[in-house]
Amino acid sequence: QVQLQESGPGLVKPSETLSLTCTVSGGSISSYYWSWIRQPPGKGLEWIGYIYYSGSTNYNPSLKSRVTISVDTSKNQFSLKLSSVTAADTAVYYCARDMHDGSYYYGMDVWGQGTTVTVSS
Amino acid sequence: ETTLTQSPAFMSATPGDKVNISCKASQDIDDDMNWYQQKPGEAAIFIIQEATTLVPGIPPRFSGSGYGTDFTLTINNIESEDAAYYFCLQHDNFPPTFGQGTKVEIK
Repeated sequence: QVQLQESGPGLVKPSETLSLTCTVSGGSISSYYWSWIRQPPGKGLEWIGYIYYSGSTNYNPSLKSRVTISVDTSKNQFSLKLSSVTAADTAVYYCARDMHDGSYYYGMDVWGQGTTVTVSS
Repeated sequence: ETTLTQSPAFMSATPGDKVNISCKASQDIDDDMNWYQQKPGEAAIFIIQEATTLVPGIPPRFSGSGYGTDFTLTINNIESEDAAYYFCLQHDNFPPTFGQGTKVEIK
């Protein structure tokens, strides 16, 4: 079965760029959409954006100016970059597989276990 | 953006209890509601899709109901292994949004 694993630095300095990678195992990254989601301490989940394996993306308007999601099909990985981070970006970051038929979005069906990122000097 | 108001934030149940978790949408989302279960340090598990459909492999004590703006996740005869964080997701409107989550404790 498909498994997702997030990886990346656990500590990022303010104003720098947060970079995370999600590795997909047990299945191909092809033909699916893939999301990043985050959960700040004590708060609810927030969808960051998704990418199709072909490279097309869609981002949450609240983060769009700072977010870049990319995909590397040769490594079965997709990545998140969030620029100009502040303490408000401290969160557990999750990657997930999306259900999307090309026209309609149905949410996530497989999740990673998350990785904690702290923004602090 | 569609706001999901999930309640309660915390509940404590005894094995065998029936548990209801509510998720109310700020606008009509048809049946475009999913429910998930997450245990500490583990990946979230997809349990209910399209408001009422049990995801294959999920025990039948879990069920979902609702349409439009009011939705409920029900756990019948709750078991100790059901202690977890539960959250809802709407995927009708962009961007997809989540409820604040419910932590379920088993006494």
